[in-house]
Amino acid sequence: AQSVTQLDSHVSVSEGTPVLLRCNYSSSYSPSLFWYVQHPNKGLQLLLKYTSAATLVKGINGFEAEFKKSETSFHLTKPSAHMSDAAEYFCVVSENFGNEKLTFGTGTRLTIIP
Amino acid sequence: EPEVTQTPSHQVTQMGQEVILRCVPISNHLYFYWYRQILGQKVEFLVSFYNNEISEKSEIFDDQFSVERPDGSNFTLKIRSTKLEDSAMYFCASRWDSTDTQYFGPGTRLTVL
Repeated sequence: AQSVTQLDSHVSVSEGTPVLLRCNYSSSYSPSLFWYVQHPNKGLQLLLKYTSAATLVKGINGFEAEFKKSETSFHLTKPSAHMSDAAEYFCVVSENFGNEKLTFGTGTRLTIIP
Repeated sequence: EPEVTQTPSHQVTQMGQEVILRCVPISNHLYFYWYRQILGQKVEFLVSFYNNEISEKSEIFDDQFSVERPDGSNFTLKIRSTKLEDSAMYFCASRWDSTDTQYFGPGTRLTVL
């Protein structure tokens, strides 16, 4: 069975400072891992995905994430936060074997302080 | 850029009534999904659909739920007799093939009174 743990329900950073959103996963098979973002009253937008290629994955809007198998982690980072980054972020896992459903974490709400 | 669309954006219904939530997936996509997010909780998988049949469903997806692709463009979720606990945001998603990313629609907020 697959699962995802997002370690922080709420993260606040000042504009221009780095962002770190933490995620640990559990999977019986080789997982695909994703980060989705949800802005208020909007749908879920894909930020980036890992599917067993390069372990450092670059996404949209300057975000990136590193897959670390030894730590079962897939933390999301950005060097410099922007006000428009304020949103809910979901770490998501899908097992490649069978590959159907996505399993979501509980989400991290990112607040940017001006 | 092609998008998944969902209608209506907000549906209010009385308990026990039937509702149909509609989705138009991206046109060349072959795999279709429904997820839901109860307020304050995580997004949960409901059902996946491929080749005109359900390929996987969760425990949530009981006999009160059904899905259909009636005309080759729409993908619908029907709840036969709504309960208060069905109140949630319902997301549709689609993808081209089994290695593709799932693209999500903006969601339908269902409120059961």
